[in-house]
Amino acid sequence: SQKIEQNSEALNIQEGKTATLTCNYTNYSPAYLQWYRQDPGRGPVFLLLIRENEKEKRKERLKVTFDTTLKQSLFHITASQPADSATYLCALTSGTYKYIFGTGTRLKVLA
Amino acid sequence: NAGVTQTPKFQVLKTGQSMTLQCAQDMNHEYMSWYRQDPGMGLRLIHYSVGAGITDQGEVPNGYNVSRSTTEDFPLRLLSAAPSQTSVYFCASSTRDRGEKLFFGSGTQLSVL
Repeated sequence: SQKIEQNSEALNIQEGKTATLTCNYTNYSPAYLQWYRQDPGRGPVFLLLIRENEKEKRKERLKVTFDTTLKQSLFHITASQPADSATYLCALTSGTYKYIFGTGTRLKVLA
Repeated sequence: NAGVTQTPKFQVLKTGQSMTLQCAQDMNHEYMSWYRQDPGMGLRLIHYSVGAGITDQGEVPNGYNVSRSTTEDFPLRLLSAAPSQTSVYFCASSTRDRGEKLFFGSGTQLSVL
């Protein structure tokens, strides 16, 4: 069955460092991969979208890579700040209207 | 511009009761969907719609009904609530373009006793 894996353990990093979060998937051929941020008690908020024919996307301090051979996406936050502390979700869709979400990785940036 | 509005924010039901979770968006989005979020499970798609009068099932549709009579509204109905439906429910919308980003509401926390 289709499966998305994100590191369920919390990631703690020091302020100013680069945070790297991983999203691995199996039994799936996504056409689009998205990353969302979710704060406690709130709905997810869209951050970045990358397509299957793209290797890398950047937006300000955020960078996403997409390796369809490894079936993996990496999400980087450079110069991390305590305000970046949140849970980050990856989501895949093959181009249908069905999105599959990972369980999310909780990031804590320590001041 | 309110975006996606969900009501209520919190709800407690007894087993067997019925209720409707409301979702409205003011962005003229054709695509609307319902997810439930459980610890360790991630967001799971319940039902979705690509326009008024069109609905389809997601990954976990059993126990839930939907209808889409207008572009703006997409209510989720629980006909006979069960404890297994205790969860946080999110409504999301987007344009009809495939792979488009989703706009989420703030969620409804539902407890079924």
